[in-house]
Amino acid sequence: GDSVTQMEGPVTLSEEAFLTINCTYTATGYPSLFWYVQYPGEGLQLLLKATKADDKGSNKGFEATYRKETTSFHLEKGSVQVSDSAVYFCALSNTGNQFYFGTGTSLTVIP
Amino acid sequence: DAGVIQSPRHEVTEMGQEVTLRCKPISGHNSLFWYRQTMMRGLELLIYFNNNVPIDDSGMPEDRFSAKMPNASFSTLKIQPSEPRDSAVYFCASSFLLRQETQYFGPGTRLLVL
Repeated sequence: GDSVTQMEGPVTLSEEAFLTINCTYTATGYPSLFWYVQYPGEGLQLLLKATKADDKGSNKGFEATYRKETTSFHLEKGSVQVSDSAVYFCALSNTGNQFYFGTGTSLTVIP
Repeated sequence: DAGVIQSPRHEVTEMGQEVTLRCKPISGHNSLFWYRQTMMRGLELLIYFNNNVPIDDSGMPEDRFSAKMPNASFSTLKIQPSEPRDSAVYFCASSFLLRQETQYFGPGTRLLVL
């Protein structure tokens, strides 16, 4: 069945460091891929998405490229800020409208 | 748009009591999802509706849990009787009924069963 595997956390970085959170997926066909972010005490918010191979989703300095050949959708940001501290979820949606979420990766950015 | 609205935001109850969680999806959305989030199990899909009809309730933990969607603008998740292990954050999300459409989450209801 469809599934998403993402990097275990927690991740702790200093401000202005480079961020990568790995995400790989298993799915038949052509899923859409998403990154959601959850700030403390809040619900999940869409961060970015990509709907087909080689698409790059981007938002707020974050980027992720849909790589079909490696079945990956890694999240990157060149310079993290304290305000980026949150939990990040990779997800896919395939033939229906049900989502499959990863387990989440907690990021803490220290000044 | 106000986004997905959930109530209450916090609920503290005693074991054995009935708990009802409420959700108002984004206007025009015709798919609605209930999730549960805990530290141990992460984010779990409990049930989802398309056009007010339950499509998949395989994630509902047991018969103590039930969900309804009487119309396009309202859904409830009920736990009766509640148990301490039901303590979690419960999220409602909605989307358009289209393949691979983005889901929009509410702020969640934080439930504590004593």
